[in-house]
Amino acid sequence: RKEVEQDPGPFNVPEGATVAFNCTYSNSASQSFFWYRQDCRKEPKLLMSVYSSGNEDGRFTAQLNRASQYISLLIRDSKLSDSATYLCVVNSWTNAGKSTFGDGTTLTVKP
Amino acid sequence: DTAVSQTPKYLVTQMGNDKSIKCEQNLGHDTMYWYKQDSKKFLKIMFSYNNKELIINETVPNRFSPKSPDKAHLNLHINSLELGDSAVYFCASSQGRRESYGYTFGSGTRLTVV
Repeated sequence: RKEVEQDPGPFNVPEGATVAFNCTYSNSASQSFFWYRQDCRKEPKLLMSVYSSGNEDGRFTAQLNRASQYISLLIRDSKLSDSATYLCVVNSWTNAGKSTFGDGTTLTVKP
Repeated sequence: DTAVSQTPKYLVTQMGNDKSIKCEQNLGHDTMYWYKQDSKKFLKIMFSYNNKELIINETVPNRFSPKSPDKAHLNLHINSLELGDSAVYFCASSQGRRESYGYTFGSGTRLTVV
């Protein structure tokens, strides 16, 4: 089983739709969680950190469920510019401080 | 005002050659990394340095050798390049040793070995 698993998609949604991605992790000692966004042929960019209490940034909401060991990302009112690959990242201080990247979920928002 | 800059952006070279990629960050971060993203887009850590000290050294061929002259610079030297080394190499930095605040990535070096 992979340490961090994501549904690769692709998710194809119309503009204005709400879409959600999940990411599961296997290391229960994981402590830091992030969502990154990677556009085609570009570097990954930090989208948001994920906190236990959940956090929101505009149209984006991230949640953490430690009991079930998953994090989620919800995008409301999708825009064409949201089309990208979304990477889930999990960091465990017991894993020599290494972060593990998921393989990404591809989102395409269509007009 | 680039935060993490890598050079070169593109590198095309023949098998067997030796090449270097350079990375510099002006964020004042303590920790720098090299990541490899292969053709299937999987991102895997290779090395990490914290204040010039090697702290993560994944299982990569010893043809790959990182060097950190100071905490703002991390270079990657690759000897005897092979076709399988073709990938995008990303440099990244973070504040602190445990990446609690996430990474800032450079724009990547697209290496093609022919």
